[in-house]
Amino acid sequence: GESVGLHLPTLSVQEGDNSIINCAYSNSASDYFIWYKQESGKGPQFIIDIRSNMDKRQGQRVTVLLNKTVKHLSLQIAATQPGDSAVYFCAEKERTGGYNKLIFGAGTRLAVHP
Amino acid sequence: DAGVIQSPRHEVTEMGQEVTLRCKPISGHNSLFWYRQTMMRGLELLIYFNNNVPIDDSGMPEDRFSAKMPNASFSTLKIQPSEPRDSAVYFCASSRGITGNQPQHFGDGTRLSIL
Repeated sequence: GESVGLHLPTLSVQEGDNSIINCAYSNSASDYFIWYKQESGKGPQFIIDIRSNMDKRQGQRVTVLLNKTVKHLSLQIAATQPGDSAVYFCAEKERTGGYNKLIFGAGTRLAVHP
Repeated sequence: DAGVIQSPRHEVTEMGQEVTLRCKPISGHNSLFWYRQTMMRGLELLIYFNNNVPIDDSGMPEDRFSAKMPNASFSTLKIQPSEPRDSAVYFCASSRGITGNQPQHFGDGTRLSIL
């Protein structure tokens, strides 16, 4: 079956550096993607989404890039802060049986060091 | 604005007991999702509702699990009888619309431990 996966399980960065978290997807028909941030003891928190008719979308300190040619999604965090330490999930929309649902990747842990 | 509200936050019970998890979605959202998260399997979709109607329950592990949504502002996930392998964090999420191009918003989960 099709699935969403992550290249790196753990990413360590220095405070103030930029972070890049990567995600590969296998369903070329996917047209909607989301990034979530999950802190310890909390539920996944929506960060940013992107539709397949876009290559790039920017939010506050975050940018999502979509490369449909190689089926790759990335989340860039500018000037990473200690509060950015969390597990980050990408998710893609899958259409099954006429209905839509999100398929989540395994997650990447981001550790920000002072 | 209130987000998705789940209760209880923590539940510890002995195997064989009935467990009921509760969820209040965000007002105005018409889709509701129940997920289970474990270290081994990650985040798994169990069931989802649209306009209070169950749409896809293919992720429900077995007949011991059941979910209901009696109205637009309340849903329950019930496990009866519970087993130690049901220990996990259970999340409820809600979203607006049915096209799928809307983010799901998650509650903070119920951490369930079955002894």
